[in-house]
Amino acid sequence: QSALTQPASVSGSPGQSITISCTGTSSDVGSYNLVSWYQQHPGKAPKLMIYEGSKRPSGVSNRFSGSKSGNTASLTISGLQAEDEADYYCCSYAGSSTFDVVFGGGTKLTVL
Amino acid sequence: QLQLQESGPGLVKPSETLSLTCTVSGGSISSSSYYWGWIRQPPGKGLEWIGSIYYSGSTYYNPSLKSRVTISVDTSKNQFSLKLSSVTAADTAVYYCADIRDYYYYMDVWGKGTTVTVSS
Repeated sequence: QSALTQPASVSGSPGQSITISCTGTSSDVGSYNLVSWYQQHPGKAPKLMIYEGSKRPSGVSNRFSGSKSGNTASLTISGLQAEDEADYYCCSYAGSSTFDVVFGGGTKLTVL
Repeated sequence: QLQLQESGPGLVKPSETLSLTCTVSGGSISSSSYYWGWIRQPPGKGLEWIGSIYYSGSTYYNPSLKSRVTISVDTSKNQFSLKLSSVTAADTAVYYCADIRDYYYYMDVWGKGTTVTVSS
């Protein structure tokens, strides 16, 4: 079970768009449309932002969107706002014979 | 609205067993729609999935921790618990409990987390 690969950091100015990638393998991201994304502010619990690759929970801004191509999932945040500054984690289902969930290493988003 | 709350000792000695409980309120732990899971986060590091349990008692563990982890459920108390044996300083982390949507494997509701330090 290897962690999914995310960039350590990304940055953008208010109003801009940024994309965070999450690269897995054909055993996890590539095989299932079951990638979720979590936002975590310092000292707080993670918050679900995207599930099943591209679906938004009720209450999450439509500035957040998710997609997938091959073994790589992506989270795009448009119209960056100061409150978007946080750590973001991707997560994927990775097993069929066992319940196996794997996280990405996390990406620090800085709003300049 | 579903809420989860972790509880347990904040300090554990090396080689001893870490024990935490997650209390579920606002819903039933016996719901067929959810698994219940534990995730941890070492200081300054990322999230690590520990394992999960279904209300029936079926468990699933991170292979890297499987030899030391036991997760159990008490439906009468609407609680599930984590035991991690033979702890070392590397097990120092914030421990979160969360619900895990069955079939879709996403964590919708998280507890606030509890910090566990392994030190003598």
